[in-house]
Amino acid sequence: DADVTQTPRNRITKTGKRIMLECSQTKGHDRMYWYRQDPGLGLRLIYYSFDVKDINKGEISDGYSVSRQAQAKFSLSLESAIPNQTALYFCATSDSGQPQHFGDGTRLSIL
Amino acid sequence: AQSVTQPDIHITVSEGASLELRCNYSYGATPYLFWYVQSPGQGLQLLLKYFSGDTLVQGIKGFEAEFKRSQSSFNLRKPSVHWSDAAEYFCAVGVNGGATNKLIFGTGTLLAVQP
Repeated sequence: DADVTQTPRNRITKTGKRIMLECSQTKGHDRMYWYRQDPGLGLRLIYYSFDVKDINKGEISDGYSVSRQAQAKFSLSLESAIPNQTALYFCATSDSGQPQHFGDGTRLSIL
Repeated sequence: AQSVTQPDIHITVSEGASLELRCNYSYGATPYLFWYVQSPGQGLQLLLKYFSGDTLVQGIKGFEAEFKRSQSSFNLRKPSVHWSDAAEYFCAVGVNGGATNKLIFGTGTLLAVQP
């Protein structure tokens, strides 16, 4: 089983719909992150959490929200999806002082 | 502002040839530096990291990288490329005083390997 699991792996939806992307981990890491990847732009940080009570905005948090339901779970929500949120989304986890480990991504298309 | 530049968007090399992928960073403090690789349909896999100490670091799959503070560079190298190395490669710098507080990524270099 994967250490960092993202669901769904692919999603197609319509403008205005509410979407939730989920991430769960079995690594026991305290820190979790959400990124989006766009062609030619690399990965950009949306939100990050250092523990269950800690949520921080990244560089592109507008239009997104997150929930850290437990140490092992970190969800990303798009309250009202718009086409320019079409992207590949990655969840990552880490321990303090250690590199981040990434899930396999969720490909999200908003029509 | 912190930033990472990967000047080569796309590189093609022949199998068996040597490889060097360039990475330059802008960061005021001591950088924590990483190279990740992304195969199609996959997440990012850590190739190697530099935190401190020896400026030449060895990673997985035969890759190495050299930290050069004077040039603000952290270039990735491999002496002999294999067809399975075809992927996208990302350089990243850890900012805000910790190795994993936040990562700033470059825009990536797509590597193609021809027979």
